Amino acid sequence: KNEVEQSPQNLTAQEGEFITINCSYSVGISALHWLQQHPGGGIVSLFMLSSGKKKHGRLIATINIQEKHSSLHITASHPRDSAVYICAVLFGNEKLTFGTGTRLTIIP
Amino acid sequence: EADIYQTPRYLVIGTGKKITLECSQTMGHDKMYWYQQDPGMELHLIHYSYGVNSTEKGDLSSESTVSRIRTEHFPLTLESARPSHTSQYLCASSELGSWKDTEAFFGQGTRLTVV
Repeated sequence: KNEVEQSPQNLTAQEGEFITINCSYSVGISALHWLQQHPGGGIVSLFMLSSGKKKHGRLIATINIQEKHSSLHITASHPRDSAVYICAVLFGNEKLTFGTGTRLTIIP
Repeated sequence: EADIYQTPRYLVIGTGKKITLECSQTMGHDKMYWYQQDPGMELHLIHYSYGVNSTEKGDLSSESTVSRIRTEHFPLTLESARPSHTSQYLCASSELGSWKDTEAFFGQGTRLTVV
């Protein structure tokens, strides 16, 4: 049973729209990673969070420890943002548990 | 830019062949990991290493084996490939801290097809 749930599974939006991807987990965690997987398969680490909020360019990641929930936001979305976004959490041990990912498609 | 490399990127091979997937990193990281990912599915840890001569099996049972003779190199071997091994294999590395403190670095992946 996957203890990390992402929503939506698929998201299609027009260029320029504000995007939100959600991640919920079942029990307390040590840290949460947001990853971006490109169509070729390579993965890039976007953020690592244990509390609060982080911002990098047009990307913003937030985490609410009490609600066991994190969101990844993309402002002014662009077709090059099209990718699979993966939430990965650390449940207190050294092994990351991954969500199934959200496939984002931005249409020009 | 992450300095972790996987070769080959794509491999189509016949059943019964022995294959080795290469993973190398130039960041001096002690920790390295192999993940398996089926299409549309989450990544699953199959092997990890905390340093030279250290290898452990991950959460997902795998018929593959790994070795860690050098810090920068963590190859994965399948002695006899089968169609059930068809998947994407991703290598990752991190510093010797916890995933809580360190960024994750992933390779580009090897997409393996066994026919």
